[in-house]
Amino acid sequence: SAVISQKPSRDICQRGTSLTIQCQVDSQVTMMFWYRQQPGQSLTLIATANQGSEATYESGFVIDKFPISRPNLTFSTLTVSNMSPEDSSIYLCSVSLGYNEKLFFGSGTQLSVL
Amino acid sequence: SQQGEEDPQALSIQEGENATMNCSYKTSINNLQWYRQNSGRGLVHLILIRSNEREKHSGRLRVTLDTSKKSSSLLITASRAADTASYFCATDLLFSGGYNKLIFGAGTRLAVHP
Repeated sequence: SAVISQKPSRDICQRGTSLTIQCQVDSQVTMMFWYRQQPGQSLTLIATANQGSEATYESGFVIDKFPISRPNLTFSTLTVSNMSPEDSSIYLCSVSLGYNEKLFFGSGTQLSVL
Repeated sequence: SQQGEEDPQALSIQEGENATMNCSYKTSINNLQWYRQNSGRGLVHLILIRSNEREKHSGRLRVTLDTSKKSSSLLITASRAADTASYFCATDLLFSGGYNKLIFGAGTRLAVHP
């Protein structure tokens, strides 16, 4: 199994600012995934983060808006840049321990943008 | 884009009753997974069923998969108030380029009343 520490758990931010969300995993993992969950909605995959390579972004998400770092096999950050109220969501990181296996999730970051 | 569609969107039952949630998807999959989310926080993995499996059990949970109909169902037997949560199906896409990418359905909000 994998235990993921995600922080902050929640934040209230002003329009135009940026927030960096951190995820720390208790074991080395190849793949980390970042999801967004808008209010009352399901999860949407933002990007997949491989250690040592550029993140792969899904349609509708761009690196300038959601830059991701993956400096090693246990850590990743997602930055939400130049925020607007439409960015108010829960952001979740997750990891997989192998191909065709389940995901483990962090507890999420509840972001509110005023 | 989401590939899973779930029904019902919301389900309200009494303790002791069974709850059935359905999920349909569009493309070929490696596996299908069910997750639970309490109060909009991190997701917890419930069960994974692979594309060559038809039924799987875990405690009070029973999952079926019909790849010909591209559909799955989750049955929770003898429900408890603590089962109140949102339940999501997620499909692990077949192509994925060497890693699994989960696409989540819209979810079912289950309320179990004492």
